[in-house]
Amino acid sequence: EDQVTQSPEALRLQEGESSSLNCSYTVSGLRGLFWYRQDPGKGPEFLFTLYSAGEEKEKERLKATLTKKESFLHITAPKPEDSATYLCAVQASINAGNMLTFGGGTRLMVKP
Amino acid sequence: DVKVTQSSRYLVKRTGEKVFLECVQDMDHENMFWYRQDPGLGLRLIYFSYDVKMKEKGDIPEGYSVSREKKERFSLILESASTNQTSMYLCASSSGQGLSNQPQHFGDGTRLSIL
Repeated sequence: EDQVTQSPEALRLQEGESSSLNCSYTVSGLRGLFWYRQDPGKGPEFLFTLYSAGEEKEKERLKATLTKKESFLHITAPKPEDSATYLCAVQASINAGNMLTFGGGTRLMVKP
Repeated sequence: DVKVTQSSRYLVKRTGEKVFLECVQDMDHENMFWYRQDPGLGLRLIYFSYDVKMKEKGDIPEGYSVSREKKERFSLILESASTNQTSMYLCASSSGQGLSNQPQHFGDGTRLSIL
């Protein structure tokens, strides 16, 4: 069974204080790992897809990396507008229905 | 930009009612999905569809059914609403047939309350 665990559950940062969110996964052959951002009362917004170990993707203050067991979302010099819940999801190679397995999310709060 | 539109942001219904949640996507995506999201339980897949008139059960299909008569529209039906179906419902779509690894794009959700 595919499993995704995100840590920490909640993270409070001061503006400008860089940190990383973790997504650990077990999956029967990884086809893709996806990061999403979700604001309160809204649907998840797609950020990145990572396909193989060693891959990195960047967007503004966010950088996602992937190993064979986990992914990190690095946030450099965060701003209050980066406050949101960040979700990680995996897609298995044998998953013919293109389904995703989601982690529980990390709620990030950035204080000015 | 991909647009997934859910017909209602908020909905209040009574126990035993038949409830319809509608979702439309404008990107000609083959795959569509229905999730519910609850505090502490995360996102759970109810049903998905990879083609018109095709449907597959997700992790928690009990008490729900779906309909996909047109490619752009995917409906979730609560046959006889119960209070434990009070939740945030999210629709998503993605492109690609077969073993696709394209991301899913989500609507803004319908917050459904069953009284």
